[in-house]
Amino acid sequence: DAKTTQPPSMDCAEGRAANLPCNHSTISGNEYVYWYRQIHSQGPQYIIHGLKNNETNEMASLIITEDRKSSTLILPHATLRDTAVYYCIVRVRNYGQNFVFGPGTRLSVLP
Amino acid sequence: DAGITQSPRHKVTETGTPVTLRCHQTENHRYMYWYRQDPGHGLRLIHYSYGVKDTDKGEVSDGYSVSRSKTEDFLLTLESATSSQTSVYFCAIGYDTDTQYFGPGTRLTVL
Repeated sequence: DAKTTQPPSMDCAEGRAANLPCNHSTISGNEYVYWYRQIHSQGPQYIIHGLKNNETNEMASLIITEDRKSSTLILPHATLRDTAVYYCIVRVRNYGQNFVFGPGTRLSVLP
Repeated sequence: DAGITQSPRHKVTETGTPVTLRCHQTENHRYMYWYRQDPGHGLRLIHYSYGVKDTDKGEVSDGYSVSRSKTEDFLLTLESATSSQTSVYFCAIGYDTDTQYFGPGTRLTVL
């Protein structure tokens, strides 16, 4: 009963924007959308999160649809160092609520 | 990253021996977590702590115990290691109920 659905893999040309989609059609009103990434053999790295408004930080932008059933993570100018597995996670803001990492999307940034 | 270290980074041990993994933070964050990552299972929460001497079980706590006697240290103990506990273990910290920041991981092999 996965809460999120992501494509298993995507390619992106270096310097171009990478748009990673995520479907979360059963999201509840109090659940946030989080994005993490994991570069091979390293710990997961926090990217961004949001509830219903679009969010932007120094790493990425998060676009959440008005019905909140899907979202897109945008890396504006992908570099080779952005090659990683990207995880979209839906959860409530509760310290006892762990982050459930599904299979994610393996993004390959190509030179 | 985020002032988290894990020790040891790699360990090989034999079935039946006790093992303790240490997570140390310099951020003075309240919340600390232990996860394990296995192929096909993503990250799964073992135990978490919401303060000194305050801990609780996660999704896969059987065979593991934890202790937190100081804000900065969260110890994970395998009382009698089994081969099924061969995994990569990640510690995470958080200053509120929101974002978790992960350590570099410990690769444990139980022979």
